[in-house]
Amino acid sequence: EIVLTQSPGTLSLSPGERATLSCRSSQSVGSSYLAWYQQRPGQAPRLLIYGATSRATGIPDRFSGSGSGTDFTLTISRLEPEDFAMYYCQHYDSSFTFGPGTKVDIK
Amino acid sequence: EVQLLESGGDLVQPGGSLRLSCAASGFTFRSYAMSWVRQAPGKGLEWVSSISTDGTVTFYADPVKGHFAISRDSSKNMVYLQMNSLRAEDTAVYYCVRKGKTGFHYGYFDYWGQGTLVTVPS
Repeated sequence: EIVLTQSPGTLSLSPGERATLSCRSSQSVGSSYLAWYQQRPGQAPRLLIYGATSRATGIPDRFSGSGSGTDFTLTISRLEPEDFAMYYCQHYDSSFTFGPGTKVDIK
Repeated sequence: EVQLLESGGDLVQPGGSLRLSCAASGFTFRSYAMSWVRQAPGKGLEWVSSISTDGTVTFYADPVKGHFAISRDSSKNMVYLQMNSLRAEDTAVYYCVRKGKTGFHYGYFDYWGQGTLVTVPS
């Protein structure tokens, strides 16, 4: 069973700064079957990235995904006020497993 | 516009049963696999169950295997989650989600409903 680890647990940044979130898998994720989600307080999650690098419909280009194998990264190039939220990675190689999440909060 | 609207969440005593419903609209329902994902209060996301496009293949997470059952009615564009023998650890917001087209049983979730709360007191 693949286990996902996300780091850091909390990332404190200011609007306009760059955010780099990490998702590490206990086993290699085949064909980059890795997705990222954003969840704002009180809202349902929304898909940001799938296939490790493809942006979902309507997602701004300040969000980008990279990585392969066991190490994946979500980058937010310039934080907007609405980007302060929880972020989860999920693999879909052989099951549906979510990481524990990274909280991006305002410094 | 894709919409997923859950209903049926409630306060239920341990050992009780509940059926969640999800009304889907804005897309060709029979072309997409559907799933349920839950989130316990203050916790992360946990996949619960999935059903194939034609309803013949179902998957369950280990914690719910044997006491939850997923089904769909493509004539009504509805997905259901029958929850039996409920336990305190089943307390969560339950989201109805659409699985993106990956060409195999597993996938990412491209649309989410707003969720329905199930509470099972300890």
